[in-house]
Amino acid sequence: ETGVTQTPRHLVMGMTNKKSLKCEQHLGHNAMYWYKQSAKKPLELMFVYNFKEQTENNSVPSRFSPECPNSSHLFLHLHTLQPEDSALYLCASSQEGQFTDTQYFGPGTRLTVL
Amino acid sequence: EDQVTQSPEALRLQEGESSSLNCSYTVSGLRGLFWYRQDPGKGPEFLFTLYSAGEEKEKERLKATLTKKESFLHITAPKPEDSATYLCAVQMFTGGGNKLTFGTGTQLKVEL
Repeated sequence: ETGVTQTPRHLVMGMTNKKSLKCEQHLGHNAMYWYKQSAKKPLELMFVYNFKEQTENNSVPSRFSPECPNSSHLFLHLHTLQPEDSALYLCASSQEGQFTDTQYFGPGTRLTVL
Repeated sequence: EDQVTQSPEALRLQEGESSSLNCSYTVSGLRGLFWYRQDPGKGPEFLFTLYSAGEEKEKERLKATLTKKESFLHITAPKPEDSATYLCAVQMFTGGGNKLTFGTGTQLKVEL
């Protein structure tokens, strides 16, 4: 058990739906991340939050909207997605500021956009 | 441009047949190189971090090594439960912040 939980584990949505992914970390970390993992592609960093402040937005379309209300919770709000957005969405956390900030991942949300 | 390349893409071994996975990187100012294991439908599980050339780390049947251009993950006498995708990622000192750049992984299958 990594200490990072994600809900839901599976999500099927239509292109006009609005849904949210939730991530919670129980490791006392101060940085949280959203990644997208598509088949045959490297993990793709989407957003980074350090101390609840967004420090990176990796040219992600506006149909993905992150929210970090505190250092333990991270959300990804989804609206008007496209079929190519179907992927495994992974949340991770780390303790930023140390020499090594190893990122620990949650189990992911498998998203299918119809 | 920073790049991480893993080879082979897929590897099939017999139980007990040792082998190595490769991760080559081209980054300026390596802060750390990370190895993760990922099982189907699950998130990556952290294995090792390596910081400097010549460093080695071991965990059960796995041993990771690092040079200035690449890292190897050696698997000694593998078992079927070692079957997974192994991911390599690098982190830079300058400009990258806490960003990890991942390779596409090596899918390992260990058969009886």
